[in-house]
Amino acid sequence: NAGVTQTPKFRILKIGQSMTLQCTQDMNHNYMYWYRQDPGMGLKLIYYSVGAGITDKGEVPNGYNVSRSTTEDFPLRLELAAPSQTSVYFCASSYSSGSGNTIYFGEGSWLTVV
Amino acid sequence: QKEVEQNSGPLSVPEGAIASLNCTYSDRGSQSFFWYRQYSGKSPELIMFIYSNGDKEDGRFTAQLNKASQYVSLLIRDSQPSDSATYLCAVNRGNRDDKIIFGKGTRLHILP
Repeated sequence: NAGVTQTPKFRILKIGQSMTLQCTQDMNHNYMYWYRQDPGMGLKLIYYSVGAGITDKGEVPNGYNVSRSTTEDFPLRLELAAPSQTSVYFCASSYSSGSGNTIYFGEGSWLTVV
Repeated sequence: QKEVEQNSGPLSVPEGAIASLNCTYSDRGSQSFFWYRQYSGKSPELIMFIYSNGDKEDGRFTAQLNKASQYVSLLIRDSQPSDSATYLCAVNRGNRDDKIIFGKGTRLHILP
């Protein structure tokens, strides 16, 4: 049972480059999330999705884009990478957002922009 | 005011003692509350959730919720060195607002 799988695990980008962080889940969860975590800080919600074809902005969406064409996949696109986007990125999923519905996290993607 | 606030710590607690972690939230309409544990370099893992006022116990962990004071806490009894981690409080507003917002976490250090 793979759960939530993120790729790549580590990446170094140059300023101005673009890239996509891939996320897939095999639990048939409706809800998917992208968070970023800066050193010593908590998780900040970038984007989330409540189902295929539906996405919405979180707390810190600027500089990112997402799509949700299937239930399983929720890629995060970074356009024109900036040093401020250096962070650990976590993809997560849950059946719903309510009580008792655990959020399952991927292992994280460490991104450095230089 | 930040949506979810936690003292960043570190909180140092002797082994075997009770560790008390606190969290306040700003949105009075919040409905579900979660505590996650995160070891360094790892992803968060759920410890407990609570949505009703009062206490909820699970093994050595007790979550306490006071909606009137907009306050949720986590007690860890008989603290063990393996409990040393960062504890993240998370809040969901419900009512079709499906965002789950995290605090910045409290670092807990259990002293052997």
